[in-house]
Amino acid sequence: QKEVEQNSGPLSVPEGAIASLNCTYSDRGSQSFFWYRQYSGKSPELIMFIYSNGDKEDGRFTAQLNKASQYVSLLIRDSQPSDSATYLCAVTPNSGYALNFGKGTSLLVTP
Amino acid sequence: DAGVIQSPRHEVTEMGQEVTLRCKPISGHDYLFWYRQTMMRGLELLIYFNNNVPIDDSGMPEDRFSAKMPNASFSTLKIQPSEPRDSAVYFCASSLITAQETQYFGPGTRLLVL
Repeated sequence: QKEVEQNSGPLSVPEGAIASLNCTYSDRGSQSFFWYRQYSGKSPELIMFIYSNGDKEDGRFTAQLNKASQYVSLLIRDSQPSDSATYLCAVTPNSGYALNFGKGTSLLVTP
Repeated sequence: DAGVIQSPRHEVTEMGQEVTLRCKPISGHDYLFWYRQTMMRGLELLIYFNNNVPIDDSGMPEDRFSAKMPNASFSTLKIQPSEPRDSAVYFCASSLITAQETQYFGPGTRLLVL
């Protein structure tokens, strides 16, 4: 199966700082890229998706995609303790709609 | 909308028993996905349906696992016989045909096989 890799963390950042989460993928034909947030004991919830190279901003979140280097990242500005969660990167293959998830990065925002 | 509904929320069973997990997708959604999440393997897709038809079941680990979608509002994932290594959280998700990749997850079923 095509791989989606994430650093498991935990990534610890102080409140108000920028948190940077990274993800690499092996399938060069991947089409769509997603970031999900999962609180402990809860289900994943979609934060944002990106299809094209470059940056996409939504509030405090910015997704960055570089298909040539096969990586996608998520920046969280002005991090809040409520952002503490596991962040899952997901990728769709060249064909089909099945999401291939990374194992997630645990983020801890300290007050 | 009530969102994706799964039942039971927790299931404890003994090895060898049959387990049936249930899912009701969001009304009007055309795609339904079953995932399994463990610490070791993360979140894995087991099978997905489009308009009640199974499209890709390559993620189903063994013949002990089976899934059905008899109508647009109900799906089951069955494990028979269950084994301790099946212990995991099983998520169901659904999406609209016009936004297939934007999946909405149910609360999950936490399964423990003793």
